[in-house]
Amino acid sequence: DAKTTQPPSMDCAEGRAANLPCNHSTISGNEYVYWYRQIHSQGPQYIIHGLKNNETNEMASLIITEDRKSSTLILPHATLRDTAVYYCIVRVARNDYKLSFGAGTTVTVRA
Amino acid sequence: NAGVMQNPRHLVRRRGQEARLRCSPMKGHSHVYWYRQLPEEGLKFMVYLQKENIIDESGMPKERFSAEFPKEGPSILRIQQVVRGDSAAYFCASSPYEAAERGEQYFGPGTRLTVT
Repeated sequence: DAKTTQPPSMDCAEGRAANLPCNHSTISGNEYVYWYRQIHSQGPQYIIHGLKNNETNEMASLIITEDRKSSTLILPHATLRDTAVYYCIVRVARNDYKLSFGAGTTVTVRA
Repeated sequence: NAGVMQNPRHLVRRRGQEARLRCSPMKGHSHVYWYRQLPEEGLKFMVYLQKENIIDESGMPKERFSAEFPKEGPSILRIQQVVRGDSAAYFCASSPYEAAERGEQYFGPGTRLTVT
């Protein structure tokens, strides 16, 4: 039961912002949006999460639409090391500890 | 602060043998999660443990697989009588109590199991 939809792949130029979309039209009011990424052959890495408001940390920004049916992860200045598979995950913060990874978006940053 | 450690990083077993995968969580982390990534597939949740307790094993195959997180020592994922279909990357993640509910999990580098 796929809760999120992401494009399978996208390219980005080094130094430019990378905008990764995610649709979650069936999201419930108590479900958060999480982003993780997996660089080739490594374990996934937590990036950011949010509920309603936009969030920013040292890695990225998360923009959630007002109706919460979609969101965008923004990598402000993509580097070659940002090449990875990016996963958008929705889950209830409490009572459901498992993360359900879909196919994600394969992001390739090109020099 | 060392990250999540998993060993071995690569494990080769013949069909029918046992595989033991170890995970040492980050210091201060009391929650451990195991995920499996089959070739060309996404990560699938297997089990969630706290010290000496299995909280959620809904993703574990019913047979041959078991997991523990003892009071002392690493978490162990044990696969008995391995078959070729068990070949996969097994990732462990950990979180401290306060981050568990926030969904922040810190992953190890994984153990790549190959069954010949």
